[in-house]
Amino acid sequence: NAGVMQNPRHLVRRRGQEARLRCSPMKGHSHVYWYRQLPEEGLKFMVYLQKENIIDESGMPKERFSAEFPKEGPSILRIQQVVRGDSAAYFCASSPADGDTDKATQYFGPGTRLLVL
Amino acid sequence: SQKIEQNSEALNIQEGKTATLTCNYTNYSPAYLQWYRQDPGRGPVFLLLIRENEKEKRKERLKVTFDTTLKQSLFHITASQPADSATYLCALETAGGTSYGKLTFGQGTILTVHP
Repeated sequence: NAGVMQNPRHLVRRRGQEARLRCSPMKGHSHVYWYRQLPEEGLKFMVYLQKENIIDESGMPKERFSAEFPKEGPSILRIQQVVRGDSAAYFCASSPADGDTDKATQYFGPGTRLLVL
Repeated sequence: SQKIEQNSEALNIQEGKTATLTCNYTNYSPAYLQWYRQDPGRGPVFLLLIRENEKEKRKERLKVTFDTTLKQSLFHITASQPADSATYLCALETAGGTSYGKLTFGQGTILTVHP
């Protein structure tokens, strides 16, 4: 059973370009979370999605950031018109839908390291 | 304001000793608390979950305690090994008891176990 997959692992963008980060959850998992880890800071929650629904986006910046988890295919975190301050590691996590404890355990991907020049 | 603090940024111990990491929080009422391990360049790996009505949880050499009165969790690694060297993250459930696991993480403690 493959773990959570993220691609690309490293992404370099110039200021003003768009960044698309992809996350394929573990097989059978229908809950996806995105977190951001800035240099010298902890992991910060960004958004929680289920298939075709954004459930909680309280951690997402109001502008330039969007996320989706379509019926088919991976979850996408999209950053438009990137700025240097967007440089960070972005982690995706997934959890299964069933069971209280199962929902609570999150399985993280290896992350995408975004560098904005 | 809400805060999660892990006792120290770095902890150095000798192989074979017990490592004890602390997580304190204020102005949260988590339904559960989790500990994760993160190695450089990798994503966090789940270790243990402890619920608000549980005092202690064990898994092999790991032990977690949870005191909701003190608002504190202690994470112990007994008989520590150099391979235990990593950053350990404390995470609180902060979705207000809803049906999903929104986590708020502490800054992490970098543990180094010397041979």
